[in-house]
Amino acid sequence: DIVMTQSPDSLAVSLGERATITCKSSQTLLDSSNRKKYLAWYQQRPGQPPKLLIYWTSSRQSGVPDRFSGSASGTDFTLTITGLQAEDAAVYYCQQYFDIPLTFGGGTQVEI
Amino acid sequence: EVQLVESGGGLVQPGGSLKISCAAAGFNFSASAIHWVRQASGKGPEWVGRVRSKNKNFATDYLESVKGRFTLSRDDSEKKAFLQMSRLKIEDTAVYYCVCIRDDGAHWGRGTMVTVSS
Repeated sequence: DIVMTQSPDSLAVSLGERATITCKSSQTLLDSSNRKKYLAWYQQRPGQPPKLLIYWTSSRQSGVPDRFSGSASGTDFTLTITGLQAEDAAVYYCQQYFDIPLTFGGGTQVEI
Repeated sequence: EVQLVESGGGLVQPGGSLKISCAAAGFNFSASAIHWVRQASGKGPEWVGRVRSKNKNFATDYLESVKGRFTLSRDDSEKKAFLQMSRLKIEDTAVYYCVCIRDDGAHWGRGTMVTVSS
């Protein structure tokens, strides 16, 4: 199974500041046939299902503010939230969908 | 717009059975694999299994801990997927989501709660 190691477990950030969450996969998530990395980022607020923010490592889901961005270097992935807003307080998960079982990072609690 | 709606959750005793459904709309359901993901309270999401399309012979894959207890199926004419759960354990208590992964990202339903308790 592909292990997703996410850090930090929690993060306290001031309004308007930047939050950076990282995720490392134990294996490549790169499909050489399409040059895509199968990595997604989710936001989850209490009592709600996970909300897709980013897919294919850096593609923003429709309707997601452009203050959310994703990037990668090898098997290291980063979610960056710039200009943090109060509504960004949530738990964030990375997920690989390169292979089954689909696996998730342990989550990062972002506090404002 | 892609829509996935789970239903059929509820309270069941340990050792009991339950079948939950996922109704789909807004995409080519018959050509799509459907995943099931669960999330226990206060925990992260956990993949449960996948049922593939007819082109892939409706092949199924399961989380190791549910093999032999859970069965995935689908009815393409109804655009529905099903998760039959038997010999349920307390640790199966969770919100169960159906998920479709497409080229435009992963689409999730809102989930259905399954509680295993005596």
